[in-house]
Amino acid sequence: GAVVSQHPSWVICKSGTSVKIECRSLDFQATTMFWYRQFPKQSLMLMATSNEGSKATYEQGVEKDKFLINHASLTLSTLTVTSAHPEDSSFYICSGAPFHRDSSTEAFFGQGTRLTVV
Amino acid sequence: EDQVTQSPEALRLQEGESSSLNCSYTVSGLRGLFWYRQDPGKGPEFLFTLYSAGEEKEKERLKATLTKKESFLHITAPKPEDSATYLCAVRTHTGGFKTIFGAGTRLFVKA
Repeated sequence: GAVVSQHPSWVICKSGTSVKIECRSLDFQATTMFWYRQFPKQSLMLMATSNEGSKATYEQGVEKDKFLINHASLTLSTLTVTSAHPEDSSFYICSGAPFHRDSSTEAFFGQGTRLTVV
Repeated sequence: EDQVTQSPEALRLQEGESSSLNCSYTVSGLRGLFWYRQDPGKGPEFLFTLYSAGEEKEKERLKATLTKKESFLHITAPKPEDSATYLCAVRTHTGGFKTIFGAGTRLFVKA
């Protein structure tokens, strides 16, 4: 399958600081990128969907000013957690797909980023 | 409301003991059902896509099937390395295209 690289794999930051997570598609052009959040022993919760060159579409309840998503190229999307607080600690996962959102093709996931805010 | 329910939550098997995982869904406008494997601390790894009732796909010891209401992931003669969480997801075009994940089934295979 296609390869999506996510970096960093883990990060610890102080409360009030910002953290940037990168998601790169290595062998395909990711027209669409998805960002998920996952709590222990729970499933993936979609946070936002972005198409290259467009503003991200955020799910209900997700603060767009807190979770900044940039999808400036077909191979790179970033998620910036601004003014992080301990409750933002979680496992964040990105996925990329070579399609626009109106498709039935599978998406491929990055390795995930474990964020711990202290 | 669109929903995806996986059962059981956890499954413990002996090596070689075949079994099935269930994914029940209630969505309108199914555009695809996906199975993923997720190891602890890692992102999900794609396994299968199923599009229509009656479709089946196989990969090594895994076989996925689909009906109009549910999908099964059959594991034949599992090995300890098959231990992981298996996630089911459906893509629907209700109110805009969206992928909905089930909570997963944690599979433990003992040697």
